[in-house]
Amino acid sequence: ILNVEQSPQSLHVQEGDSTNFTCSFPSSNFYALHWYRWETAKSPEALFVMTLNGDEKKKGRISATLNTKEGYSYLYIKGSQPEDSATYLCAFASGGSYIPTFGRGTSLIVHP
Amino acid sequence: GAVVSQHPSRVICKSGTSVKIECRSLDFQATTMFWYRQFPKQSLMLMATSNEGSKATYEQGVEKDKFLINHASLTLSTLTVTSAHPEDSSFYICSARPGFVSDGYTFGSGTRLTVV
Repeated sequence: ILNVEQSPQSLHVQEGDSTNFTCSFPSSNFYALHWYRWETAKSPEALFVMTLNGDEKKKGRISATLNTKEGYSYLYIKGSQPEDSATYLCAFASGGSYIPTFGRGTSLIVHP
Repeated sequence: GAVVSQHPSRVICKSGTSVKIECRSLDFQATTMFWYRQFPKQSLMLMATSNEGSKATYEQGVEKDKFLINHASLTLSTLTVTSAHPEDSSFYICSARPGFVSDGYTFGSGTRLTVV
């Protein structure tokens, strides 16, 4: 069973704060690392799929980095807005399966 | 963008009855769909991989006779929970990959099953 850990489990921030979460995953047999945003009552939405060590991806105020050698990825949100409130999931895919294994997610609440 | 439509969103059924959950890919063909289950405060756990025109592949510990999967067309996969019991109450969600790995997976909106 692949171990994908996310921290923190939940986070409350004020509007305008910048924040970051961590996803740790096995450092061997890496294939891809996914980040998803999951708003209440909606479908999870793909943010990034990262495949190369050292990858940095950005979408608006959200960015992510990847370190496959040490097995972690960071997701950053700059200037959080209330609409960023959601659960952020990371998922690790190994070369053996390619199907992502999910972490439990980080629940972010941004207070106006 | 790619859309997966999942129905019903919520269902309550009596113990011993069967419930069918449908997932349709609306604007792409999905030869493979993935079914996950999520218990409270837990991660999405892969139950099975649904393959169009062939048998589903079940993860270890998932009873294939209890969770029947049918993927009869390139746009429709169904999960039937047979003889449901209260311990089957959970959140079920499907996904598919519409394109390249770099595009990620597209998910349905999930089904909350409550067995009473």
